[in-house]
Amino acid sequence: DIQMTQSPSSLSASVGDRVTITCRSSQNINTFLNWYQQKPGKAPKLLIYVASNLQSGVPSHFSGSGSGTDFTLTISSLQPEDFATYFCQQSYSTPFTFGGGTKVDIK
Amino acid sequence: QVQLQESGPGLVKPSETLSLTCNVSGDSLNYFWSWFRQPPGKELEWIGYVYYTGTTNYNPSLDNRITVSQDTSKKQFSLKLHSVTAADTAVYYCAISSSAAGRYFDYWGQGMLVTVSS
Repeated sequence: DIQMTQSPSSLSASVGDRVTITCRSSQNINTFLNWYQQKPGKAPKLLIYVASNLQSGVPSHFSGSGSGTDFTLTISSLQPEDFATYFCQQSYSTPFTFGGGTKVDIK
Repeated sequence: QVQLQESGPGLVKPSETLSLTCNVSGDSLNYFWSWFRQPPGKELEWIGYVYYTGTTNYNPSLDNRITVSQDTSKKQFSLKLHSVTAADTAVYYCAISSSAAGRYFDYWGQGMLVTVSS
């Protein structure tokens, strides 16, 4: 199985801050990397697909980059509604696997 | 707009079979019809999918206990997880990928907590 390692596991930030979350895969996954946002008691919401493509309806202050084994999710200016947990997921091969998540909370 | 809704028992006894159904509404070209789960406080785990052609693919970690099937005429798909234990207690999500190549999941159900307990 491909292991996905996210860092940090949690962070505290303020509204307006720039936030960067990283995800590393245990082997080359090309750009088959997706990012999701999850709020408590809710289903995951797709933010970024295939490493850098913004899902329809997702605000433009979210962006993704990377290829191979190293990927980044950037929130350019944190908004109040962005406080949540973020997961990466590889779709290069089955079994699909997720990172452990990054919880973003209010400083 | 595609919407998904899980249904089924919220309580299953150990050694029995967990059965869930996902009803899909709305129009979209849906390729991978998949199930995920998330134990309380833990990360997401992919369970398996049925491709729109009927081909299935399951997570080997679930020890061949899984059956995922679809009924495209009814726009629904189902999960059966056999021989459950307390470790199978989780929120179960159904999800769909509208991408044949990317296999990212853009539509999700709201999730359903299933508890395994006698």
